[in-house]
Order: sequence, then structure tokens, then C-alpha cells
Amino acid sequence: KAGVTQTPRYLIKTRGQQVTLSCSPISGHRSVSWYQQTPGQGLQFLFEYFSETQRNKGNFPGRFSGRQFSNSRSEMNVSTLELGDSALYLCASSTRETGGTDTQYFGPGTRLTVL
Amino acid sequence: AQSVTQLGSHVSVSEGALVLLRCNYSSSVPPYLFWYVQYPNQGLQLLLKYTSAATLVKGINGFEAEFKKSETSFHLTKPSAHMSDAAEYFCAVSDGTGGFKTIFGAGTRLFVKA
Repeated sequence: KAGVTQTPRYLIKTRGQQVTLSCSPISGHRSVSWYQQTPGQGLQFLFEYFSETQRNKGNFPGRFSGRQFSNSRSEMNVSTLELGDSALYLCASSTRETGGTDTQYFGPGTRLTVL
Repeated sequence: AQSVTQLGSHVSVSEGALVLLRCNYSSSVPPYLFWYVQYPNQGLQLLLKYTSAATLVKGINGFEAEFKKSETSFHLTKPSAHMSDAAEYFCAVSDGTGGFKTIFGAGTRLFVKA
């Protein structure tokens, strides 16, 4: 079974631009979560989608948004990029069979650099 | 609110020595606890998870962790370190209520000396 895939793997943008990142979960997984990883703040939860609905949201500004499609693929969008948005963005999928004990499977991440 | 504290941002051990990575958690509800490993330029991989079935949890690659409620700890151990264990390790907590929101610790980078 193929793992979680994220595209693109690397991205360079300039301040003020917007960016869209894509995540394809493992086949059969309906939950997709997004995390931001930076050296200063570590791993921070952005949001989780399940069956096209946002179920949980972290403490990020409204510039960060996401969506999930009927095939469970998910995208996240960051508008009006700031230098501090430079980070590794990780996507994780799970089956959500039993809630919080589910195993999350992480993709390799998208490295976003904002200049 | 939940939180996780990992003691020591860097840990260095010799090959063959005991690995001990410390994690303390805070949770107002019975927690679900996880240890993940991250190799350079890769995503996170689950090592093990505590789901209240047993306090001593065995994971992959010879790692195990013990849940101690009285100490609010979930330390990760491995009897004998291998060079391939060099990576960053994250402890995480989830309350499992209504969706999937995981709080991660700051991480501990493990160095293994030959």
C-alpha cells in the first residue's frame, strides 16, 4: 500500500504570495491532519479534516486554510506569505477507527521557504 | 489543556549503551501517548503508542516505553543503542476526543557515538 504523499517536496516563494500544498493520504484513510514544523516552535497542529469537514483547528491565523476532497485528498493554502511561514509542512493520515488511539502515518513533508 | 515536556534537547550515548529519552505529560483526561522518530529530511514514523491496555509498551526497533501515571511520565528506552538510532525523537499526547489533535513535545535529538 502506498504511503502518504505530499507535493511539491520543496517550494520557494516570496513574501505576500500565496501557496497551496497537496496531500494524498493512504488509501482508505479518511482523516488528514496538517502540522507545521519549525526549529523555533517545533511541531504545531494546524488542522484536521475528516470526510471533507474540518474537525479540529490549531492556533494559526486565518491566512492558513485547508480543505479535503471526496477522495480524501487534502490541500492547505497559505495566503499573504510571511518570512515566518518558512517551515516543513507535514501531512498525516489515519483511519480514525477508534479516535485518539489511531496511528497517524506521516508524509515526507513539503519544505516551504519564504524569501 | 494538554502538554508534553521532553527533558533534554540533545542526548548523546555510545553505541551499545542504554538509551533513555524522557517525556512528561500533562492532561486533564486519560491521555493517549505516542513516541515518534524523525530521520533527516523525512516525515515522522510511529515507534509506539500507549492506549491504556498495558503500561509497558513495546515498539519497533527494540524501543519500549513505560506509562507511569503517578509520575505523569512516558520515558522511552532501548537497552543497546545502534548507530542507526541517531535521529530526532518526539513524544506526543492526544486526548482522543472528537477528532485527531496531537500535541508534540519539542523533540530530543539522539546522537550515537561509535
